[in-house]
Amino acid sequence: SQTIHQWPATLVQPVGSPLSLECTVEGTSNPNLYWYRQAAGRGLQLLFYSIGIDQISSEVPQNLSASRPQDRQFILSSKKLLLSDSGFYLCAWSALGQSLSEKLFFGSGTQLSVL
Amino acid sequence: AQSVAQPEDQVNVAEGNPLTVKCTYSVSGNPYLFWYVQYPNRGLQFLLKYITGDNLVKGSYGFEAEFNKSQTSFHLKKPSALVSDSALYFCAVRDGTGANNLFFGTGTRLTVIP
Repeated sequence: SQTIHQWPATLVQPVGSPLSLECTVEGTSNPNLYWYRQAAGRGLQLLFYSIGIDQISSEVPQNLSASRPQDRQFILSSKKLLLSDSGFYLCAWSALGQSLSEKLFFGSGTQLSVL
Repeated sequence: AQSVAQPEDQVNVAEGNPLTVKCTYSVSGNPYLFWYVQYPNRGLQFLLKYITGDNLVKGSYGFEAEFNKSQTSFHLKKPSALVSDSALYFCAVRDGTGANNLFFGTGTRLTVIP
């Protein structure tokens, strides 16, 4: 069966420090991969999605970047964190090449606090 | 462009009573509609989806949702609420243009009171 792993679960970082959040998917090949952010009291905002290795689409301009060095690995990064980067970050996957009815499977999330 | 509105930030209901969590949407073309649930400090879990066919969709944990095209709504319902249903509920939409992602509403926190 397919599983998605996301780590760390919580992270406290000072302003200006770098960031690296990792997400891996097991049990499937060529997944679509997504990074979402959930700010306190807000809905989910799509940050990046990827349909293949080194193929990344950015949905909103921001201080973050994403990379997909391997088929089932998706990394969210920043060179210098801002206070506004605080939030709950969720990785998700869906089956590639499926219809638009395909659902997303989410990781357990990373609570990032930038101080 | 797609958009989703969940007009209620908070819904409170007594255990055993029916519950409704509201969602309205705006898309170009035919909508693909989803409901997800999020428990504290967890990722989202899929509940149900509407693609075509019957307007009443049944999903996990006894939840169902009714698609209403004229009102562009997709309200989540359950006949008898449980305390364990207390969570954050998200409505999401994808249109038929080939967009590769879901657009989520801001979420509705459901509290079931014992």
